[in-house]
Amino acid sequence: SAVISQKPSRDICQRGTSLTIQCQVDSQVTMMFWYRQQPGQSLTLIATANQGSEATYESGFVIDKFPISRPNLTFSTLTVSNMSPEDSSIYLCSVRRPTGRTGRYTFGSGTRLTVV
Amino acid sequence: EDKVVQSPLSLVVHEGDTVTLNCSYEVTNFRSLLWYKQEKKAPTFLFMLTSSGIEKKSGRLSSILDKKELFSILNITATQTGDSAIYLCAVEEEYGNKLVFGAGTILRVKS
Repeated sequence: SAVISQKPSRDICQRGTSLTIQCQVDSQVTMMFWYRQQPGQSLTLIATANQGSEATYESGFVIDKFPISRPNLTFSTLTVSNMSPEDSSIYLCSVRRPTGRTGRYTFGSGTRLTVV
Repeated sequence: EDKVVQSPLSLVVHEGDTVTLNCSYEVTNFRSLLWYKQEKKAPTFLFMLTSSGIEKKSGRLSSILDKKELFSILNITATQTGDSAIYLCAVEEEYGNKLVFGAGTILRVKS
C-alpha cells in the first residue's frame, strides 16, 4: 500500500491565523482526499483533491475556508484559514489505490491542530 | 443520504475476552465495506469485504459481511491490551470513490 508522509504532525495556532498541511505520497495516485476528525467524532470528508483542477468539496465545506492544492499526482496541501477554536481537530489525508473494482484506502499519519 | 451506524459506541472488556463489534449501513450503491483500527491519529487498514458470507481472518481478528441484511461484524478473540483502540467501519459507494465512516467503537481492554 502507499506510504504517505503528512506534516506537521501537530501544531498549536492562534485564532485568526492559517495553517497549511502537506501530504506527500511515495508514488503517483489519482485520488487524494482530506478528512477532518473533531474531538470524539468520526472522520468526515472535507474534499477530494483533483490533480490539475479545483477540489471537489463536500456539503458544509467551502474553498475559502479550506483551500486545497494538488500540483501533481504525489502531493497535496490543505490550508485551514482564519482559524477558530472550532477548527481544533485531527486532519488526515488519504489516497485510494484501485484493486480491481474496489479500492484500498491508506491514511497519512495525521495532523493534530489546536486553535487557541 | 448514505449512513453507517456502529455499535456499541464503547466497550470495556478484560484481557482474554472475545468481543463483537457491529456495523450496519445504508448506501445507494454498495461497493465495499472496510474496517480500520485507530490508535492515535492514522487509521490502519484491517479488512475489506465485498461478498456476503466470506469470512476474512487475520490472527485473532475476523470479519464477515451480510449484504442482504446490510451489516458486518468484527470479532476479536483472546483480546489483549494492545487491542485498545477505536474501530472504524466505512463503506465505499459504487460510483463515489470515497468512504463514509461510522462513528466508531471505542474498545478498552483492561489487564
